[in-house]
Amino acid sequence: GAGVSQSPSNKVTEKGKDVELRCDPISGHTALYWYRQSLGQGLEFLIYFQGNSAPDKSGLPSDRFSAERTGGSVSTLTIQRTQQEDSAVYLCASRHGTGGSTDTQYFGPGTRLTVL
Amino acid sequence: KNEVEQSPQNLTAQEGEFITINCSYSVGISALHWLQQHPGGGIVSLFMLSSGKKKHGRLIATINIQEKHSSLHITASHPRDSAVYICAVPPWGAQKLVFGQGTRLTINP
Repeated sequence: GAGVSQSPSNKVTEKGKDVELRCDPISGHTALYWYRQSLGQGLEFLIYFQGNSAPDKSGLPSDRFSAERTGGSVSTLTIQRTQQEDSAVYLCASRHGTGGSTDTQYFGPGTRLTVL
Repeated sequence: KNEVEQSPQNLTAQEGEFITINCSYSVGISALHWLQQHPGGGIVSLFMLSSGKKKHGRLIATINIQEKHSSLHITASHPRDSAVYICAVPPWGAQKLVFGQGTRLTINP
């Protein structure tokens, strides 16, 4: 079956603009994660969705970042008033909801965001 | 100090060599993940282990929960093994993963 897909694959924007990044998880996966990988840095957790539960937003770096997940499937990460330090690869991952954090996560190809 | 530390940060070896990448963590966990990130950026999960040892082809992962340490070994390394290898752990009670900084492995023919 299809894996996790993300769009766009690349996004170049000007400082101050808003951007939306999209993630389509694997069908049937109830858990969805957003991560960020800045140039030369490791992966950083941003937000986690599980079913209809309130998301874990503890990794969002500022209130300019928000995410939603509609209908328990597609998720959108929104960054308002983008700054140059937001430039990074944004990765989405999904997993089955049954095994908790020990289940395998399946990663999307990422969206490379460049803020000029 | 990071919660997850990997060593070495960079490793270059000749084809056929035995490779070891180490991961130490400071938080309580129930399991540990090893991930592989190829130059194109895609990340795949290699192993999830909570005790002992797992083997998949030429890859072997071990973990010692008491010592909070895991190792990833590659036998008979090949240039296609060149990638960044990342150790990640879910701290107790958390659903998120905390990542090591990665080990960049280059295998020369």
